[in-house]
Amino acid sequence: NAGVTQTPKFRVLKTGQSMTLLCAQDMNHEYMYWYRQDPGMGLRLIHYSVGEGTTAKGEVPDGYNVSRLKKQNFLLGLESAAPSQTSVYFCASSSSGLLASNQPQHFGDGTRLSIL
Amino acid sequence: AQKITQTQPGMFVQEKEAVTLDCTYDTSDPSYGLFWYKQPSSGEMIFLIYQGSYDQQNATEGRYSLNFQKARKSANLVISASQLGDSAMYFCAMRENRAAGNKLTFGGGTRVLVKP
Repeated sequence: NAGVTQTPKFRVLKTGQSMTLLCAQDMNHEYMYWYRQDPGMGLRLIHYSVGEGTTAKGEVPDGYNVSRLKKQNFLLGLESAAPSQTSVYFCASSSSGLLASNQPQHFGDGTRLSIL
Repeated sequence: AQKITQTQPGMFVQEKEAVTLDCTYDTSDPSYGLFWYKQPSSGEMIFLIYQGSYDQQNATEGRYSLNFQKARKSANLVISASQLGDSAMYFCAMRENRAAGNKLTFGGGTRVLVKP
């Protein structure tokens, strides 16, 4: 039972480089999310998607782009990495609809990204 | 204003004793849900317990229970009979149901260390 899978688990980038983080879920969830977690802090929402082909901004979207071309995948892109984007990135997914309001978000194990 | 506030950055608890983790929230949405997650040192986010704003009874899940005081806007997590494996970061999160996407807003977390 894979749930939510994030790749890669670790990555080191140089300032200005670009990369894409991949999130895949096998629970047929409509909603998917990208969060970042900085040391000693809670998670902050970067972008989210309520279905295939849709994306929306969260609390801290600047410097990131996302795409949801397939229902099971949600990609997070950094076009020009900056040291301020050093963080742990979490992907999550959840059910949709009113009956799912008590359903938790399911998280991947995180990607630790360092930008030098 | 902070939507979710966890005022205790860190706590020690003796093994087998109970511990209460504070969480206060701020919302004007009459329909919302409160979630608690555990993050051990390995980094994954583990869902523990959920409380809906219209739930008549406090939620319980094994050794976890919620002390939900709606008028005070607090949803404190109680862990009974603490075990060494309970040492972790604990996050309170809120979902406002009128907002699109079932998004979660997280508090800053409380680190719990269980002493043998």
